[in-house]
Amino acid sequence: QVQLVQSGAEVKKPGSSVKVSCKASGGTFSSYTISWVRQAPGQGLEWMGRIIPILGIANYAQKFQGRVTITADKSTSTAYMELSSLRSEDTAVYYCARVLSSGWYYGYWGQGTLVTVSS
Amino acid sequence: QSALTQPPSASGSPGQSVTISCTGTSSDVGGYNYVSWYQQHPGKAPKLMIYEVSKRPSGVPDRFSGSKSGNTASLTVSGLQAEDEADYYCSSYAGSNNLNVFGTGTKVTVL
Repeated sequence: QVQLVQSGAEVKKPGSSVKVSCKASGGTFSSYTISWVRQAPGQGLEWMGRIIPILGIANYAQKFQGRVTITADKSTSTAYMELSSLRSEDTAVYYCARVLSSGWYYGYWGQGTLVTVSS
Repeated sequence: QSALTQPPSASGSPGQSVTISCTGTSSDVGGYNYVSWYQQHPGKAPKLMIYEVSKRPSGVPDRFSGSKSGNTASLTVSGLQAEDEADYYCSSYAGSNNLNVFGTGTKVTVL
């Protein structure tokens, strides 16, 4: 059974950076794309980017280009999402999600990590 | 890349059907058969309900069905049950520039 376990809640100052982890168990970590999706309070889902661990290649939504970095450590089956130059609008729950088998649909989700940006 | 457009709300009585639309463009919904639907209960992570327009993952009841016509995809929930009350989001592949886009979300209420 595939499980994604994310790191705990964070409180950050505007202008700083945050790095959220997502540790996978069950299944073959390297073979499946992991995406990061965020949800601001009371708002909808927003795709941020993805990584293909076996290739080490990451792609990002245009909105986050230059501000987000997604990486993966195959030795620990952990994906990371780092967001820099934080502002209050980045306050959200950040989810990692793994594709079901391939394509662009996510059958496995982490529990979410609340990142609060506040001075 | 703009979010796909969904109605803010939909409702139905137990046993009835409700259909949610998801409107995009020829660059996303209309251009690919990579539309998926997610159910999200308050405080929980989303759950995949439909993928590749009309396929159901293992364990998802056949009361949930998906379709697509042109730039609009639809999710139908038949035989509404109390536990179907949740937020629903569509998603689509959006090409090599933006890759993936979600809908604005629809709150389904079971009356």
